Amino acid sequence: KQEVTQIPAALSVPEGENLVLNCSFTDSAIYNLQWFRQDPGKGLTSLLLIQSSQREQTSGRLNASLDKSSGRSTLYIAASQPGDSATYLCAVRMNRDDKIIFGKGTRLHILP
Amino acid sequence: DGGITQSPKYLFRKEGQNVTLSCEQNLNHDAMYWYRQDPGQGLRLIYYSQIVNDFQKGDIAEGYSVSREKKESFPLTVTSAQKNPTAFYLCASKQGSSPLHFGNGTRLTVT
Repeated sequence: KQEVTQIPAALSVPEGENLVLNCSFTDSAIYNLQWFRQDPGKGLTSLLLIQSSQREQTSGRLNASLDKSSGRSTLYIAASQPGDSATYLCAVRMNRDDKIIFGKGTRLHILP
Repeated sequence: DGGITQSPKYLFRKEGQNVTLSCEQNLNHDAMYWYRQDPGQGLRLIYYSQIVNDFQKGDIAEGYSVSREKKESFPLTVTSAQKNPTAFYLCASKQGSSPLHFGNGTRLTVT
């Protein structure tokens, strides 16, 4: 059974710092991996999608990497801003049955 | 604008009653998903459907039921058999290898 783990569970950093969020998964038979942002009481907003054949994706200040063989992905946020404060979740889509499995998320707080 | 609509935003029910949560999408997506989120937890998969008239159980399907009679609609019924139904419910959809899109969720409270 696929398990997705996100470390750390919570993170506070001063504004302007670069930071890395981690996501690991136990079954490497994934189709793709997606990073999301969730604001309190809201739905999820897609940030980046990495197909299993890709190594990384970039959007603005965000860069996501994928190492499928080692079961790891990272989300790099450059020059953090208070508006980046949210919960960040990663999810993997499985090859065999199209299930999409989520980690528990990292709650990020950017200090002004 | 295309998107996913979940209604209502807040729902209150008495214990022992069944309740149906609505999810409608106008994105023309084939696949739809239902997740449950509890405080401080990630999303747990309840049911998903890859095509009309077909659906599969997720990891926590007990006490829930779904139907997929139309491409744009995937309602979730929370039955009285669900022991802890109070939660935030999220519906999502996707097409092929495209990103998963989410609605804004329904917060269900059962007392």
